[in-house]
Amino acid sequence: EAQVTQNPRYLITVTGKKLTVTCSQNMNHEYMSWYRQDPGLGLRQIYYSMNVEVTDKGDVPEGYKVSRKEKRNFPLILESPSPNQTSLYFCASSFDRGNTGELFFGEGSRLTVL
Amino acid sequence: AQKVTQAQTEISVVEKEDVTLDCVYETRDTTYYLFWYKQPPSGELVFLIRRNSFDEQNEISGRYSWNFQKSTSSFNFTITASQVVDSAVYFCALRGAWSSGSARQLTFGSGTQLTVLP
Repeated sequence: EAQVTQNPRYLITVTGKKLTVTCSQNMNHEYMSWYRQDPGLGLRQIYYSMNVEVTDKGDVPEGYKVSRKEKRNFPLILESPSPNQTSLYFCASSFDRGNTGELFFGEGSRLTVL
Repeated sequence: AQKVTQAQTEISVVEKEDVTLDCVYETRDTTYYLFWYKQPPSGELVFLIRRNSFDEQNEISGRYSWNFQKSTSSFNFTITASQVVDSAVYFCALRGAWSSGSARQLTFGSGTQLTVLP
């Protein structure tokens, strides 16, 4: 089954404790991206990756890091989480070189930073 | 820069009523793609439709229909004979073409919370 898998789905942590949200897709997609969803703001892009070892900032990258060492994985790293990073996070992927298609989204990871 | 505006924050209708969700977009690209996603209470994002900027034909899928008007930069979504299961947040989104570089992200509107009452 084609899917984007995120872990953990739910996490409560404390300020300053490093955490990683993993994202994996099994569709051989080149493009992957992270979004955060906050009430009244819709979804905003944090980082994206066009291919292995190619990453770039989205609209709200502060406080986040990513890496793309393999095509299927695109982890989101919060080195020192703060309460303003409490949010619902979505990983997404798409295969669309020259044919812009829809993004496939993971189920979301709800993060609470105390 | 791309922008998507969903002016309706919340809409409440009674079951079997028709409802239209508005979406207005801004882009400098001549080629772009518009999407609608549904987010039910369970939280996942469900893809509903994609439209290309060069195809202004309206589309109907069951009780769902979409009206794309390039002249007014709008891509409205109508649910006919709404049902309680249609209750969700609906997002309109825009993606540009690879050639312009604006395909790197899907720009979302802020969403419309639709509540269908029994």
